[in-house]
Amino acid sequence: DAGVIQSPRHEVTEMGQEVTLRCKPISGHDYLFWYRQTMMRGLELLIYFNNNVPIDDSGMPEDRFSAKMPNASFSTLKIQPSEPRDSAVYFCASSPLAIWSTDTQYFGPGTRLTVL
Amino acid sequence: QKEVEQNSGPLSVPEGAIASLNCTYSDRGSQSFFWYRQYSGKSPELIMFIYSNGDKEDGRFTAQLNKASQYVSLLIRDSQPSDSATYLCAVLDSSASKIIFGSGTRLSIRP
Repeated sequence: DAGVIQSPRHEVTEMGQEVTLRCKPISGHDYLFWYRQTMMRGLELLIYFNNNVPIDDSGMPEDRFSAKMPNASFSTLKIQPSEPRDSAVYFCASSPLAIWSTDTQYFGPGTRLTVL
Repeated sequence: QKEVEQNSGPLSVPEGAIASLNCTYSDRGSQSFFWYRQYSGKSPELIMFIYSNGDKEDGRFTAQLNKASQYVSLLIRDSQPSDSATYLCAVLDSSASKIIFGSGTRLSIRP
C-alpha cells in the first residue's frame, strides 16, 4: 500500500489567495483526520471524518477553513482567503478505527504551506 | 482549555543510557495516552499507547502512566542515535472525541 498521499508537498502562496490541500487516505480506512503543526501551537486536530461525514470540526480555526470528503478516497482542506498566520505543515491521517481506538493513525508526509 | 505539557528540550542523553521523557495533562478524565515519534521533516509515527495505570513495555520502550498524578512518561532503554527525534505526547480527552497533543520534547542521543 502506498500509504496516505498528500499533495502538494510544498505550497507557497500570497496572502489573500485560495489554497487547496489534497489527501488520499489508505484504502479501507473509514476515518480521515486533518492536522496542522506549527512551532508555536504544536500539532492540532482540525477536523475528522467517518465514512466521508464530518464528525468533529471544532478544531477548524475559523470560517476561512473548510474541508470536504466527497468520497472514500479523497479529501480536501481549503483556505480562502489565506493569511500569513496559516503558514504551517498540514498533515492528513487515516485510520481503520475510531480516534479512541488503540489502532494507529497513519500520517501522510504533510504539506508545508507558506503564505507570504 | 485542556492542556498537555511537555518540556521542549532538547534533552541530550549519551548512547546506551536511558532516556526519560515526561508529559502532564490537565483533563483528569482522560482515558488514553499516546507517544508519537517525529523525525525532523517527517510525519508523526505512533510508538506507544497506554490506558491503564502502571507500565507498558514494548522492546526498548516503556510507557508509564499515573492517573492520580496526571502524568505519563516514556522511557527508552539502551538509547541509540536513531532515537534522536521529537517525541509527542498525546491524550484522548474525557469526551473521547479529541486527541490533544503536547508540543513535543526534542531528544538527542550523543554517540
